[in-house]
This record gives sequence, structure tokens and C-alpha cells, in this order.
Amino acid sequence: GQQLNQSPQSMFIQEGEDVSMNCTSSSIFNTWLWYKQEPGEGPVLLIALYKAGELTSNGRLTAQFGITRKDSFLNISASIPSDVGIYFCAGLINYGGSQGNLIFGKGTKLSVKP
Amino acid sequence: DADVTQTPRNRITKTGKRIMLECSQTKGHDRMYWYRQDPGLGLRLIYYSFDVKDINKGEISDGYSVSRQAQAKFSLSLESAIPNQTALYFCATSFPGYGYTFGSGTRLTVV
Repeated sequence: GQQLNQSPQSMFIQEGEDVSMNCTSSSIFNTWLWYKQEPGEGPVLLIALYKAGELTSNGRLTAQFGITRKDSFLNISASIPSDVGIYFCAGLINYGGSQGNLIFGKGTKLSVKP
Repeated sequence: DADVTQTPRNRITKTGKRIMLECSQTKGHDRMYWYRQDPGLGLRLIYYSFDVKDINKGEISDGYSVSRQAQAKFSLSLESAIPNQTALYFCATSFPGYGYTFGSGTRLTVV
């Protein structure tokens, strides 16, 4: 089945640093999504990307839908302590007129040192 | 009120017991999902339902069953709980073509 390879698995950074994480796959996706999960909560959608090459920002977060449709990256600029959490990428494939299910990466655990 | 509500938030149960986790949503979405989260393994799909009459197995359905009582309600049952079903369980809903909305999760411990 389809798999997403998300890297890195974990990051320990200093407050103020920029962060970059990415997801790759051997499959082509129609939609890429990035979620953040804080301790004790469910994943929350950060950014959704619907077109190859699309670059979308949400505050200090920027994500891109790779031109090959097989990858995506998420950047966080000037990290702050509340950025701590697990970030998941997710890809969606549409089969003809019907939507498949989201495929999730295994997550990137981000720790920010004040 | 939360868009997707899961009950209970935490549960400790004994091996062999039957347990039901409940999910309700106010999003008006037809599609609902149950996921399991284990450290280092990400989110794995247990069951999903595209409407009230549609139930489908996901990646790891063995040992689980579901019931879609209404558009807004989707429950997950463990018929005979075992310790390796100790995990975080998430319910989610979606509109076709868009991202999922997740509940806050149920932390289940089987002792």
C-alpha cells in the first residue's frame, strides 16, 4: 500500500531557529495536508495543499506541494516554545470520482529549547 | 462544544472485557473514521464509514468492530480487550476531498 516517509523523526532546536521537515512517497497524491498534535489532544490541521507546486503560508508556517506530487515540505520560521508537538504529513489520493483515505506519515516530534 | 467529541477521554479496563468508545460530531460530515495511535507508529486506520450504511475495514481492524448509529455517531468496540490494544484512539470526520477533523482522543489502557 501507499506509504509516506516523514523526516526527521525528531528535532531538538533552540528558540528562534527555523525548522524544516518533509514527506516523500513513491505514490502520487492529489492533496497534501500538515497536522500538528499537542500533548493530550488530537491532530489539528495546519495547512492543506491541493495543487502541484502550490506554496501556502499560515503565519510562520509555510508548506509546499511538490511538483512531482510525491512530496511535500513544511517550514516553521523563528520557532517559539509553543511550536512543540508532533507534526504529521498526510496525503490523499482520489480514485476517479471517489476519494481514498488519508495516508499519514509517522510524525516529526519537535522540541524547542527556550 | 467541540466539533468531534469522544467519550470517555480515559479508560482503564481489564483483559477480556468488552469496551465501547463513542464518537459524535456536529460537522454534518458523512465520513467518519477510527484511528489508533502508538508511539513511533503514527496514526493507523481501524475502520471507516462513508455514510450510515457503509462500513469498511482499515489497516488494523482485527479485534475491533464498529457501529454507525446515525450520521453523527460512530462507535468503536473491543469485543475482548487485550493488553496490546493499549493505545490512544482517535475519531475523525471529513467532507470528501478535504482534511479530517479529529476528536481529542481516548486513552485506553488494558491491564
